[in-house]
Amino acid sequence: AQSVSQHNHHVILSEAASLELGCNYSYGGTVNLFWYVQYPGQHLQLLLKYFSGDPLVKGIKGFEAEFIKSKFSFNLRKPSVQWSDTAEYFCAVNALDAGNMLTFGGGTRLMVKP
Amino acid sequence: GAGVSQSPRYKVAKRGQDVALRCDPISGHVSLFWYQQALGQGPEFLTYFQNEAQLDKSGLPSDRFFAERPEGSVSTLKIQRTQQEDSAVYLCASSLVGGPTNYGYTFGSGTRLTVV
Repeated sequence: AQSVSQHNHHVILSEAASLELGCNYSYGGTVNLFWYVQYPGQHLQLLLKYFSGDPLVKGIKGFEAEFIKSKFSFNLRKPSVQWSDTAEYFCAVNALDAGNMLTFGGGTRLMVKP
Repeated sequence: GAGVSQSPRYKVAKRGQDVALRCDPISGHVSLFWYQQALGQGPEFLTYFQNEAQLDKSGLPSDRFFAERPEGSVSTLKIQRTQQEDSAVYLCASSLVGGPTNYGYTFGSGTRLTVV
């Protein structure tokens, strides 16, 4: 069965700092990869997704992620964070031959200090 | 509606009580998923419907959990004889066609269940 690891549980940054959140998955087959964000009091929202093609994908609000197949990683990055990026971030994997469900990591809680 | 609607938003149940959680997916969405999110953890898959057919229930933690979607739209997750370990946020998500690969999921805001 597939699994997803997010190594940073809590991250605190100052505004304008750069962000990188790690995500590693374990699955030997073909996967689709996702980052979701959950702002305080809101529902999970899709930030970006990777299906195929260019391993560097760009999402909303200036976020991007790079799929490195050899490292089974899909790290999320943003060059300059804002206070409004304070949220919880979840990496998720869909293993294409294992059904339609998503397997989520444990989440990273990001706090951006103004 | 414009989004996935879940009710109630909050539910407090006494241990041993039965509860029913409702999900109204986006109109026309074929696929519907239930997830359980324990405090401080990521969502974990419970079950999946395509229209009224429950195609995968491998994530249901015990036979106390039961889900249905009789007319292919609204779904109900029922938990019988609730236990403290059932305390979690229960998330519903829907998708237009197939799984998340096509159009992505839209998540509801969840039902926070607290068993006392």
